[in-house]
Amino acid sequence: DADVTQTPRNRITKTGKRIMLECSQTKGHDRMYWYRQDPGLGLRLIYYSFDVKDINKGEISDGYSVSRQAQAKFSLSLESAIPNQTALYFCATSGADSALNEQFFGPGTRLTVL
Amino acid sequence: AQSVAQPEDQVNVAEGNPLTVKCTYSVSGNPYLFWYVQYPNRGLQFLLKYITGDNLVKGSYGFEAEFNKSQTSFHLKKPSALVSDSALYFCAVRDGTSGTYKYIFGTGTRLKVLA
Repeated sequence: DADVTQTPRNRITKTGKRIMLECSQTKGHDRMYWYRQDPGLGLRLIYYSFDVKDINKGEISDGYSVSRQAQAKFSLSLESAIPNQTALYFCATSGADSALNEQFFGPGTRLTVL
Repeated sequence: AQSVAQPEDQVNVAEGNPLTVKCTYSVSGNPYLFWYVQYPNRGLQFLLKYITGDNLVKGSYGFEAEFNKSQTSFHLKKPSALVSDSALYFCAVRDGTSGTYKYIFGTGTRLKVLA
């Protein structure tokens, strides 16, 4: 079984709808991240969390919110989706000393907002 | 502010030839540098990292990278390319001496290995 899972893998929705993307991990890591990937822009950090009580904004948090329900679960919500939020979304985790440790990525969620 | 640049959108190389994927960075403190690979419909996978020590770092699948402090570069290399190496490659940097825990990713370089 994959260490980092994301659901759904693909989603098409309409402008104005609320969407939740879910991420679960079995690696026992405290640190979790949400990124979006756009062609030519690489990965950009949306939110990150160092433990259940710690949530931090990344470089592009506007229009998004997150919830860390448990150590193993980190959800990303789009309260009112808009077309420019069409992208590939990745969840990632890392160990305690994230400065030294690599990140482990989920398979991604492809979101299309019409 | 920290940043990372991958100057080539795409690199083409013949199978069996050496390959290089370029990455340059800018941080105010000591750099922590990473390479990741993304295969189609998959998440990013870690290849290798430089934290400190030997400037030549060896990683997965026969890849290596050379840290060059004077040129602020961390180019990814492989002596003999395989068709299966075709993928999207990302360089990432973190400022090791600042208070931030954020990684900055490059825009990615698509590697095509031609049979």
